[in-house]
Amino acid sequence: RKEVEQDPGPFNVPEGATVAFNCTYSNSASQSFFWYRQDCRKEPKLLMSVYSSGNEDGRFTAQLNRASQYISLLIRDSKLSDSATYLCVVYQNEKLTFGTGTRLTIIP
Amino acid sequence: DAGVIQSPRHEVTEMGQEVTLRCKPISGHDYLFWYRQTMMRGLELLIYFNNNVPIDDSGMPEDRFSAKMPNASFSTLKIQPSEPRDSAVYFCASAWQITDTQYFGPGTRLTVL
Repeated sequence: RKEVEQDPGPFNVPEGATVAFNCTYSNSASQSFFWYRQDCRKEPKLLMSVYSSGNEDGRFTAQLNRASQYISLLIRDSKLSDSATYLCVVYQNEKLTFGTGTRLTIIP
Repeated sequence: DAGVIQSPRHEVTEMGQEVTLRCKPISGHDYLFWYRQTMMRGLELLIYFNNNVPIDDSGMPEDRFSAKMPNASFSTLKIQPSEPRDSAVYFCASAWQITDTQYFGPGTRLTVL
């Protein structure tokens, strides 16, 4: 089993819809979690950290489920500009592991 | 701040040649990371430094790859000799702490013919 796994997609979602995707991790001792966003042919950029209690930033909500060992990202009222690849990142014992990303395309 | 600076942005070379990628981190950041990204394998951490000292190089694929950080404002990733399978985008990133936001450079797109 991979340390960090994501559904590669693509997720093709109509503008205005809500979309959610998960990221599973194999090490139960993982300590910190993040979502990064990467536009086509660009560098990754931090979207948001994921806190144990869950956190929200505008239209974006991140949640952590330690029992089932996954994190999730929910995007409400999706915009065309949300089209990108979303990478989850897991940190444990001074080691960072990136998922391979979920590709999201918002359709007009 | 100009952000993380990488050079060159594009590199095309022939198999067997030496390739050197360069990175200037954001001033004040203690951590510097080198990543490789391919369609097949995604983003892979190759090595990272803390205060110029290599901490974890377990991601370095083989002895052909080496990385140095002679001072706080400069790092290099060298591939010698290069092979076609090394073709990828190589990113450098820096951060204040390992769990802080990583700021990525624009990447170097390497093609080995």
